[in-house]
Amino acid sequence: GAVVSQHPSRVICKSGTSVKIECRSLDFQATTMFWYRQFPKKSLMLMATSNEGSKATYEQGVEKDKFLINHASLTLSTLTVTSAHPEDSSFYICSARRRHNLSGNTIYFGEGSWLTVV
Amino acid sequence: AQKITQTQPGMFVQEKEAVTLDCTYDTSDPSYGLFWYKQPSSGEMIFLIYQGSYDQQNATEGRYSLNFQKARKSANLVISASQLGDSAMYFCAMREGWNAGGTSYGKLTFGQGTILTVHP
Repeated sequence: GAVVSQHPSRVICKSGTSVKIECRSLDFQATTMFWYRQFPKKSLMLMATSNEGSKATYEQGVEKDKFLINHASLTLSTLTVTSAHPEDSSFYICSARRRHNLSGNTIYFGEGSWLTVV
Repeated sequence: AQKITQTQPGMFVQEKEAVTLDCTYDTSDPSYGLFWYKQPSSGEMIFLIYQGSYDQQNATEGRYSLNFQKARKSANLVISASQLGDSAMYFCAMREGWNAGGTSYGKLTFGQGTILTVHP
């Protein structure tokens, strides 16, 4: 099966610092990865689409200078929350689309990362 | 406009009974996919079942089946023989087709979620 690993699973950082979250496809190539944010008991909201070798596409209302996304290889995308504030505390989860598969279930989620900014 | 709607914020079911979680969707794309995920308190998204818009048969995966009513744009999840471990949040999601935009294919739009509680 396809596996997506997300790290760290939990992180606490001080207000004003930056924190990086990694999303890695372990056994397949992912041309495209997606980053979602989720508040407690709420739905997942897409933040951005990360494409290997090009700039990420951000959803409306998402600050691209605050949430930096890098997709340097076909197996790794990173989300960096810069100058974090307590309101950035949330659950962040990535998904990866398996390359060359256009039908069926081709989307695989990481385990998610709980970010707490103190 | 809301593309995926789950109208049941919470559902309760007795262990061993069946339960239906509702999901309606809206799209003008003829090619789309519908997903159901289970999210326990740990946060991971567990894939349950997938239905493609061109699939003739309703999807089934073990105790999970998807009641796909294309004309009504509904994709309800049926869980048979509920177990205590089924207690979790459940999300319906839609992926629009290739025509919706090349490199963003794979982007999912989620419903609001339904919290399912299974009673012993």
